[in-house]
Formats: sequence, C-alpha cells, structure tokens
Amino acid sequence: AQKITQTQPGMFVQEKEAVTLDCTYDTSDPSYGLFWYKQPSSGEMIFLIYQGSYDQQNATEGRYSLNFQKARKSANLVISASQLGDSAMYFCAMRGYRQGAQKLVFGQGTRLTINP
Amino acid sequence: NAGVTQTPKFQVLKTGQSMTLQCAQDMNHEYMSWYRQDPGMGLRLIHYSVGAGITDQGEVPNGYNVSRSTTEDFPLRLLSAAPSQTSVYFCASIQGGGRRGAGELFFGEGSRLTVL
Repeated sequence: AQKITQTQPGMFVQEKEAVTLDCTYDTSDPSYGLFWYKQPSSGEMIFLIYQGSYDQQNATEGRYSLNFQKARKSANLVISASQLGDSAMYFCAMRGYRQGAQKLVFGQGTRLTINP
Repeated sequence: NAGVTQTPKFQVLKTGQSMTLQCAQDMNHEYMSWYRQDPGMGLRLIHYSVGAGITDQGEVPNGYNVSRSTTEDFPLRLLSAAPSQTSVYFCASIQGGGRRGAGELFFGEGSRLTVL
C-alpha cells in the first residue's frame, strides 16, 4: 500500500519569505513518482512539480523546488520568495509504477496563507 | 484545447435520486479516473479506466458506476444518492505509457455535489 503524510494542516508565512511544505511517503514500489498540486480557493487542481524516484537531481520549476530525500522518504516542496497568490491548499501525491499511471494517492493537504 | 471538462459544476440531490456526472477530455488520453475530495481527507480514487471498454475500482467505489464507451468520455453514475456522497468530484486523465512514473494528471474543474 502507498501512503502520503502531510503533517502541517496550516502554515502562515510573510510575503517574500521562503516556505517549506512537508511531505513524507511510504511505498513498496521500487519505481514511483511524486507530485505537488496547488488548489486555490476557486477549487481547481494545478500541477506544480514532479520528481521521479530515479531522478538524480531535485526537480525545480520556477519558484518551486522539490527537496527529495529518498532514504528518508520525504519530498518537501519549497516555494521561494512567496507571493500573496501562493495562498492555497497544497497536496502532495505519489504514483507507483506497479499501481498504474492514473492512480495517485494524495495526502491530506496543507493550507498555506501568505500574509502581506 | 479544452482539456478535461466536467458537468455539472454544482448539483443538489435528494437521498435516493440518481444522477450522472459527465467527464470529457480532448487530449486523446488513454487513462481516465474519478476522485472525490472530502474535507481533511485529500482526494481518493473512486474508479478508473485504462482504455475504452476497460474500467476498474479504486479505493472508494461503493455507490458509483462507470463505463467507458469512447476514449473521450468517462461518466460517473450515482445509482441511489446518499448524504455520505456529498463531496467534490474530480475527473482526471493522463496519457498512458511513457517514462515510468512520469506524467502529470490533468484534472477537470470539479463538480460539487450535495445530497440532502
């Protein structure tokens, strides 16, 4: 079975500060992918970043980076220079190769609030 | 491209009524899936399909039926609605195959269902 744990129900950060959202995972699948999605108050799911289990380098996408520590089974999202528009729910998710491409397992989410 | 389109966006039902949530994608994706999102629980997989004519159950399939007669469409049917099915429903699609674990899931905008 696969499991994603996000231990921070809510976080409050000052604008322009960096923020780290925690995510730990558990799987017996040797090949897997880790994802972060953003859900603003409007409700849609926005893909942010992807990390493959065999990728040698941490993934980066603009202000987003994924701090992947395979031995510790963690995949934390780092947002640099936070902006007011970053206020949203953030979900960590994973997919095991053996489970199938369409089967994502999600964490419970972290609600991030950026204060001006 | 419209991406993944869900209808309706909002629906109120009475206990025992039936309805169908529609999902269509125009990206020629092989894989499609339905998730439900409940407060504090992230997204959970209801049913999925790996191609036309092929469907399977996810984590929470009870009370729902699906079919996949075409590549583009993947409707979700509630046979006899119950208050426990009050939730936000997301349809998603992804192209099958490719690098192991890679590829993002494309989500529809969600359908908010209330069962009284």
